[in-house]
Amino acid sequence: KQEVTQIPAALSVPEGENLVLNCSFTDSAIYNLQWFRQDPGKGLTSLLLIQSSQREQTSGRLNASLDKSSGRSTLYIAASQPGDSATYLCAVVGQAGTALIFGKGTTLSVSS
Amino acid sequence: GAVVSQHPSWVICKSGTSVKIECRSLDFQATTMFWYRQFPKQSLMLMATSNEGSKATYEQGVEKDKFLINHASLTLSTLTVTSAHPEDSSFYICSARPSGGAQNEQFFGPGTRLTVL
Repeated sequence: KQEVTQIPAALSVPEGENLVLNCSFTDSAIYNLQWFRQDPGKGLTSLLLIQSSQREQTSGRLNASLDKSSGRSTLYIAASQPGDSATYLCAVVGQAGTALIFGKGTTLSVSS
Repeated sequence: GAVVSQHPSWVICKSGTSVKIECRSLDFQATTMFWYRQFPKQSLMLMATSNEGSKATYEQGVEKDKFLINHASLTLSTLTVTSAHPEDSSFYICSARPSGGAQNEQFFGPGTRLTVL
């Protein structure tokens, strides 16, 4: 059974710092991996989707990498801002058409 | 594009009543929709997979007679929480996968917060 783990559970940084969020999954046979942002009491905002054949995806200050063989993904946030404060969720799809399996998330706090 | 709506966004009900939550894909067709539940400070847990025109597939531990799912069209799935109890209070989120979508990406609704008194 696929399990997704995110480390750390919480992270506090001052504004301007670069940071890395980690995600690991137990079954490397994934179809794709997505990173989401969730603000308190709100739904999910998709940040990046990486297909199993891809190594990384970039969007603005965000860069996500995928090492399928080792079961790991990282989300790199450059020049963090207070507006980046949120919970970041990593999720994988095992087979095409199936549901996402989520990690518990990393709650990020960026202070000004 | 790829917008998913949920209605209502929040609901408070008395114990023993039933509550229906709608999930709509506004600008695409979705053969498959998923229902997730999120308890405070926990991650999203899949409840069931909803396929248009067929019975939903429930995850282990989710009572199908309590959480009724109907996916009657390619743009609408409903989740009915029957005889709700306080322990059913949670954040319910749906997602929809565009039919024929090349990347298998899922798009999420904004969620429905259910509070059962």
